[in-house]
Amino acid sequence: EDKVVQSPLSLVVHEGDTVTLNCSYEVTNFRSLLWYKQEKKAPTFLFMLTSSGIEKKSGRLSSILDKKELFSILNITATQTGDSAVYLCAVDGNQFYFGTGTSLTVIP
Amino acid sequence: GEEVAQTPKHLVRGEGQKAKLYCAPIKGHSYVFWYQQVLKNEFKFLISFQNENVFDETGMPKERFSAKCLPNSPCSLEIQATKLEDSAVYFCASSQSPRKETQYFGPGTRLLVL
Repeated sequence: EDKVVQSPLSLVVHEGDTVTLNCSYEVTNFRSLLWYKQEKKAPTFLFMLTSSGIEKKSGRLSSILDKKELFSILNITATQTGDSAVYLCAVDGNQFYFGTGTSLTVIP
Repeated sequence: GEEVAQTPKHLVRGEGQKAKLYCAPIKGHSYVFWYQQVLKNEFKFLISFQNENVFDETGMPKERFSAKCLPNSPCSLEIQATKLEDSAVYFCASSQSPRKETQYFGPGTRLLVL
């Protein structure tokens, strides 16, 4: 059965900490893996990964994919309170599957 | 318009009633996607359209759920005979291509079935 699993489910850190969010998957006919940030309303797109080992970076956020071990990580360095959100991982294959998300809270 | 518009913002229905949700994509976007988010985190793809045609319906429940995109009208998602477990936020997204990373999401419609 196809699935996307994110860990941890929730995380509380202090401003300035570095966090690593995990996404593992088993999806038929993998095409891409996407990360989203969801604050109060709709998700906003962060990264799309299709190839192993190539890091995508945007400011303090970065992500990498391992297609052999079937996982991806999302790193956030020097966290700020504005990073508090649910981070969703989604994998596009035969269907478009979402993980249950990681809820990140950054406290001042 | 420049944003995906969804109406209504909130919808309350009794079990067994019909619910109809609307989505107006960004002008020039030919792809529309519907998603269901239950309990804040469980995000699920339902169906996508290319103009009036169903593009991908692999996530659509087999019963009670239907969707349409007709020319010159907002797209719609209809749930017949709603059940308590249909309570969720329903997001619509639009895009110029079927690529997921180019989607713009609307603000969602919160459906509550009592």
